[in-house]
Amino acid sequence: KNQVEQSPQSLIILEGKNCTLQCNYTVSPFSNLRWYKQDTGRGPVSLTIMTFSENTKSNGRYTATLDADTKQSSLHITASQLSDSASYICVAHGGSQGNLIFGKGTKLSVKP
Amino acid sequence: ETGVTQTPRHLVMGMTNKKSLKCEQHLGHNAMYWYKQSAKKPLELMFVYSLEERVENNSVPSRFSPECPNSSHLFLHLHTLQPEDSALYLCASSQDRPQGEIEAFFGQGTRLTVV
Repeated sequence: KNQVEQSPQSLIILEGKNCTLQCNYTVSPFSNLRWYKQDTGRGPVSLTIMTFSENTKSNGRYTATLDADTKQSSLHITASQLSDSASYICVAHGGSQGNLIFGKGTKLSVKP
Repeated sequence: ETGVTQTPRHLVMGMTNKKSLKCEQHLGHNAMYWYKQSAKKPLELMFVYSLEERVENNSVPSRFSPECPNSSHLFLHLHTLQPEDSALYLCASSQDRPQGEIEAFFGQGTRLTVV
Protein backbone atom coordinates (compact mmCIF):
# COMPACT_ATOMS: atom_id res chain seq x y z
CA LYS A 1 0.00 0.00 0.00
CA ASN A 2 1.37 3.44 -0.91
CA GLN A 3 1.75 5.56 2.19
CA VAL A 4 3.78 8.27 3.84
CA GLU A 5 4.60 8.29 7.56
CA GLN A 6 5.88 11.36 9.39
CA SER A 7 7.45 11.86 12.79
CA PRO A 8 7.13 13.37 15.23
CA GLN A 9 3.41 14.11 15.18
CA SER A 10 4.08 17.42 16.93
CA LEU A 11 7.10 19.36 18.10
CA ILE A 12 7.67 22.42 20.27
CA ILE A 13 10.96 24.30 20.04
CA LEU A 14 12.31 27.65 21.18
CA GLU A 15 12.85 30.46 18.73
CA GLY A 16 16.34 30.37 17.24
CA LYS A 17 16.77 26.61 17.65
CA ASN A 18 17.13 24.08 14.84
CA CYS A 19 14.92 21.06 14.28
CA THR A 20 14.59 18.09 11.95
CA LEU A 21 11.38 16.47 10.79
CA GLN A 22 11.32 12.91 9.47
CA CYS A 23 9.43 11.20 6.67
CA ASN A 24 9.34 7.55 5.56
CA TYR A 25 7.52 6.54 2.42
CA THR A 26 6.48 3.34 0.74
CA VAL A 27 5.45 4.44 -2.74
CA SER A 28 6.06 2.45 -5.88
CA PRO A 29 6.90 3.46 -8.48
CA PHE A 30 8.44 6.55 -6.90
CA SER A 31 8.88 9.80 -8.81
CA ASN A 32 9.63 12.64 -6.39
CA LEU A 33 9.36 13.80 -2.80
CA ARG A 34 7.87 17.14 -1.73
CA TRP A 35 7.64 19.10 1.47
CA TYR A 36 4.81 21.55 2.04
CA LYS A 37 4.21 24.10 4.80
CA GLN A 38 0.62 24.62 5.88
CA ASP A 39 -0.28 27.51 8.15
CA THR A 40 -3.41 27.02 10.28
CA GLY A 41 -6.56 27.51 8.22
CA ARG A 42 -4.68 27.95 4.96
CA GLY A 43 -3.68 25.80 2.01
CA PRO A 44 -0.30 24.02 1.77
CA VAL A 45 2.58 25.89 0.15
CA SER A 46 5.45 24.05 -1.54
CA LEU A 47 8.88 24.27 0.08
CA THR A 48 10.95 21.79 -1.94
CA ILE A 49 10.60 19.13 -4.62
CA MET A 50 13.28 16.45 -5.00
CA THR A 51 13.46 13.80 -7.69
CA PHE A 52 14.88 10.39 -6.86
CA SER A 53 18.34 11.42 -8.12
CA GLU A 54 18.64 14.38 -5.73
CA ASN A 55 20.01 14.01 -2.20
CA THR A 56 19.48 17.47 -0.82
CA LYS A 57 17.72 20.71 -1.66
CA SER A 58 17.59 24.00 0.20
CA ASN A 59 15.07 26.81 0.30
CA GLY A 60 16.35 29.53 2.60
CA ARG A 61 16.47 28.14 6.14
CA TYR A 62 14.79 24.92 5.01
CA THR A 63 16.95 22.00 3.84
CA ALA A 64 15.40 18.74 2.69
CA THR A 65 17.29 15.49 2.24
CA LEU A 66 16.28 12.36 0.38
CA ASP A 67 17.62 8.82 0.59
CA ALA A 68 15.84 6.88 -2.14
CA ASP A 69 17.48 3.62 -1.04
CA THR A 70 16.06 3.70 2.48
CA LYS A 71 12.98 5.67 1.34
CA GLN A 72 13.52 8.35 3.93
CA SER A 73 13.46 12.12 3.80
CA SER A 74 14.06 14.82 6.36
CA LEU A 75 13.36 18.52 6.57
CA HIS A 76 15.83 20.55 8.61
CA ILE A 77 14.88 24.03 9.79
CA THR A 78 17.71 26.29 10.86
CA ALA A 79 17.44 29.21 13.29
CA SER A 80 13.70 28.82 13.71
CA GLN A 81 11.40 31.82 13.74
CA LEU A 82 7.93 32.29 15.20
CA SER A 83 6.54 32.32 11.66
CA ASP A 84 7.79 28.76 11.17
CA SER A 85 4.92 27.57 13.41
CA ALA A 86 2.83 25.46 11.02
CA SER A 87 2.21 21.91 9.87
CA TYR A 88 4.87 20.44 7.61
CA ILE A 89 3.61 17.84 5.20
CA CYS A 90 5.72 15.27 3.40
CA VAL A 91 4.31 14.22 0.03
CA ALA A 92 5.48 11.44 -2.26
CA HIS A 93 4.58 11.47 -5.91
CA GLY A 94 4.20 8.15 -7.63
CA GLY A 95 2.11 5.02 -7.37
CA SER A 96 0.29 3.38 -10.25
CA GLN A 97 -1.88 6.46 -10.90
CA GLY A 98 0.88 9.01 -10.47
CA ASN A 99 -0.85 10.90 -7.69
CA LEU A 100 0.45 12.89 -4.73
CA ILE A 101 0.41 10.78 -1.54
CA PHE A 102 0.31 12.89 1.59
CA GLY A 103 1.58 12.28 5.12
CA LYS A 104 -0.43 13.45 8.12
CA GLY A 105 2.06 16.22 8.81
CA THR A 106 4.18 17.34 11.75
CA LYS A 107 2.78 20.25 13.71
CA LEU A 108 5.63 22.56 14.67
CA SER A 109 5.23 25.24 17.35
CA VAL A 110 8.02 27.77 17.79
CA LYS A 111 7.88 29.55 21.15
CA PRO A 112 9.57 32.85 22.05
CA GLU B 1 -1.27 34.32 -2.60
CA THR B 2 -0.76 31.24 -4.76
CA GLY B 3 -3.00 32.27 -7.68
CA VAL B 4 -5.70 29.78 -6.66
CA THR B 5 -8.75 31.40 -5.06
CA GLN B 6 -11.47 29.53 -3.20
CA THR B 7 -14.83 30.85 -2.05
CA PRO B 8 -16.35 30.88 0.41
CA ARG B 9 -13.63 30.57 3.05
CA HIS B 10 -16.10 29.29 5.63
CA LEU B 11 -19.44 27.55 5.16
CA VAL B 12 -21.95 26.17 7.65
CA MET B 13 -24.76 24.13 6.16
CA GLY B 14 -27.55 21.88 7.32
CA MET B 15 -27.82 18.31 6.16
CA THR B 16 -30.71 19.12 3.85
CA ASN B 17 -29.07 22.15 2.21
CA LYS B 18 -27.52 22.43 -1.22
CA LYS B 19 -24.42 24.57 -1.59
CA SER B 20 -21.46 24.93 -3.93
CA LEU B 21 -17.76 25.56 -3.41
CA LYS B 22 -15.94 27.57 -6.03
CA CYS B 23 -12.30 27.51 -7.11
CA GLU B 24 -10.65 29.79 -9.63
CA GLN B 25 -7.04 29.68 -10.82
CA HIS B 26 -5.23 32.48 -12.59
CA LEU B 27 -2.09 30.50 -13.46
CA GLY B 28 -2.99 29.13 -16.87
CA HIS B 29 -2.92 25.57 -15.59
CA ASN B 30 -4.78 22.73 -17.26
CA ALA B 31 -5.28 20.36 -14.32
CA MET B 32 -7.42 21.03 -11.23
CA TYR B 33 -8.10 18.99 -8.13
CA TRP B 34 -10.38 18.75 -5.12
CA TYR B 35 -8.91 17.46 -1.86
CA LYS B 36 -10.53 16.83 1.52
CA GLN B 37 -8.52 17.46 4.70
CA SER B 38 -10.00 16.08 7.92
CA ALA B 39 -8.47 16.53 11.35
CA LYS B 40 -5.44 14.28 11.94
CA LYS B 41 -5.77 12.65 8.51
CA PRO B 42 -3.71 13.07 5.36
CA LEU B 43 -5.14 15.04 2.46
CA GLU B 44 -7.46 12.81 0.45
CA LEU B 45 -7.73 13.28 -3.29
CA MET B 46 -11.37 13.49 -4.35
CA PHE B 47 -11.46 14.50 -8.01
CA VAL B 48 -9.02 15.32 -10.78
CA TYR B 49 -9.82 17.29 -13.91
CA SER B 50 -7.37 17.49 -16.78
CA LEU B 51 -8.20 19.67 -19.78
CA GLU B 52 -11.71 20.07 -18.34
CA GLU B 53 -12.37 16.33 -18.34
CA ARG B 54 -12.76 14.35 -15.14
CA VAL B 55 -9.94 11.84 -15.14
CA GLU B 56 -10.24 10.55 -11.62
CA ASN B 57 -12.97 10.03 -9.04
CA ASN B 58 -11.68 8.38 -5.89
CA SER B 59 -14.81 6.59 -4.71
CA VAL B 60 -16.34 9.81 -3.49
CA PRO B 61 -20.01 9.63 -2.41
CA SER B 62 -22.49 10.99 -4.93
CA ARG B 63 -23.52 13.75 -2.52
CA PHE B 64 -20.34 15.47 -3.80
CA SER B 65 -20.64 16.50 -7.44
CA PRO B 66 -17.80 18.31 -9.22
CA GLU B 67 -18.09 20.56 -12.23
CA CYS B 68 -15.35 22.05 -14.39
CA PRO B 69 -16.90 24.45 -16.94
CA ASN B 70 -13.50 25.66 -18.19
CA SER B 71 -9.82 25.29 -17.33
CA SER B 72 -9.89 28.21 -14.88
CA HIS B 73 -12.91 27.25 -12.79
CA LEU B 74 -13.83 24.28 -10.67
CA PHE B 75 -16.92 23.77 -8.54
CA LEU B 76 -17.90 21.23 -5.91
CA HIS B 77 -21.66 20.94 -5.53
CA LEU B 78 -22.83 19.66 -2.16
CA HIS B 79 -26.19 18.17 -1.20
CA THR B 80 -27.56 16.14 1.71
CA LEU B 81 -24.18 16.07 3.43
CA GLN B 82 -23.45 14.28 6.70
CA PRO B 83 -21.71 15.71 9.79
CA GLU B 84 -18.64 13.56 9.01
CA ASP B 85 -18.24 15.55 5.79
CA SER B 86 -17.14 18.53 7.89
CA ALA B 87 -13.56 19.26 6.84
CA LEU B 88 -11.28 21.68 5.01
CA TYR B 89 -11.83 21.34 1.27
CA LEU B 90 -8.82 22.33 -0.78
CA CYS B 91 -8.60 23.08 -4.45
CA ALA B 92 -5.30 22.79 -6.31
CA SER B 93 -4.07 23.31 -9.83
CA SER B 94 -0.99 22.36 -11.84
CA GLN B 95 0.33 22.50 -15.37
CA ASP B 96 -0.35 18.89 -16.34
CA ARG B 97 -0.32 16.21 -13.64
CA PRO B 98 2.31 16.77 -10.89
CA GLN B 99 5.17 14.70 -12.30
CA GLY B 100 8.84 15.59 -12.14
CA GLU B 101 9.18 19.03 -10.66
CA ILE B 102 5.80 20.30 -11.76
CA GLU B 103 4.34 22.24 -8.85
CA ALA B 104 0.82 21.89 -7.51
CA PHE B 105 -0.58 25.14 -6.12
CA PHE B 106 -3.26 25.06 -3.45
CA GLY B 107 -6.00 27.50 -2.60
CA GLN B 108 -6.70 28.66 0.94
CA GLY B 109 -9.46 26.13 1.37
CA THR B 110 -13.12 26.23 2.41
CA ARG B 111 -13.78 25.25 6.02
CA LEU B 112 -17.07 23.34 5.82
CA THR B 113 -19.17 22.53 8.86
CA VAL B 114 -22.25 20.33 8.45
CA VAL B 115 -24.78 20.67 11.25
